[in-house]
Amino acid sequence: GAVVSQHPSRVICKSGTSVKIECRSLDFQATTMFWYRQFPKQSLMLMATSNEGSKATYEQGVEKDKFLINHASLTLSTLTVTSAHPEDSSFYICSARFLMAGSDYGYTFGSGTRLTVV
Amino acid sequence: AQSVTQLDSHVSVSEGTPVLLRCNYSSSYSPSLFWYVQHPNKGLQLLLKYTSAATLVKGINGFEAEFKKSETSFHLTKPSAHMSDAAEYFCVVSEGGSPGGGNKLTFGTGTQLKVEL
Repeated sequence: GAVVSQHPSRVICKSGTSVKIECRSLDFQATTMFWYRQFPKQSLMLMATSNEGSKATYEQGVEKDKFLINHASLTLSTLTVTSAHPEDSSFYICSARFLMAGSDYGYTFGSGTRLTVV
Repeated sequence: AQSVTQLDSHVSVSEGTPVLLRCNYSSSYSPSLFWYVQHPNKGLQLLLKYTSAATLVKGINGFEAEFKKSETSFHLTKPSAHMSDAAEYFCVVSEGGSPGGGNKLTFGTGTQLKVEL
């Protein structure tokens, strides 16, 4: 089945530093990946749609200069939180749509990254 | 525009009793509907999905959901709850037929299921 691997699972960083989160599709190619943010006991909010070889599409209210997305290959998308602040602390989850041989197997999610900014 | 409403933020059941998690949706196009489960500090696991085929959808771990267009509902059920079912459940809609909307998922606010002995 389709597996999306997300790393790191947990990261603690100092305020003002940058953190990179990786999302890899392990056994399929993902032209489109999605980045979500989840606050404690709340639902997932779509931050941006990552398209291989082109610029990401950001949702309204998401700072593109703060949350840098790179989708340089069909199996890797990265989210970099730049100049992190404590309010950026959250659970970040990536997702990819699994399409193969003309069939749509739906969306598969990474295991998430717990970011804590101190 | 699409939206999802999960009617209960918390549901508590006894082990061995039925589970009902309610979900209503709004969509301008033919929607695809999903139920995902999330255990603490984990990603999401797909339980089942509806994509305009059979209205009664069977998923993993004994869960099933019925798509009712007249009621715009997609409630999740399980005949007998197990302790391991305790988790957060999300109802999700995707407008597969809308221009550019086929890839965008909209999540409900989630239902926390508690299973007691």
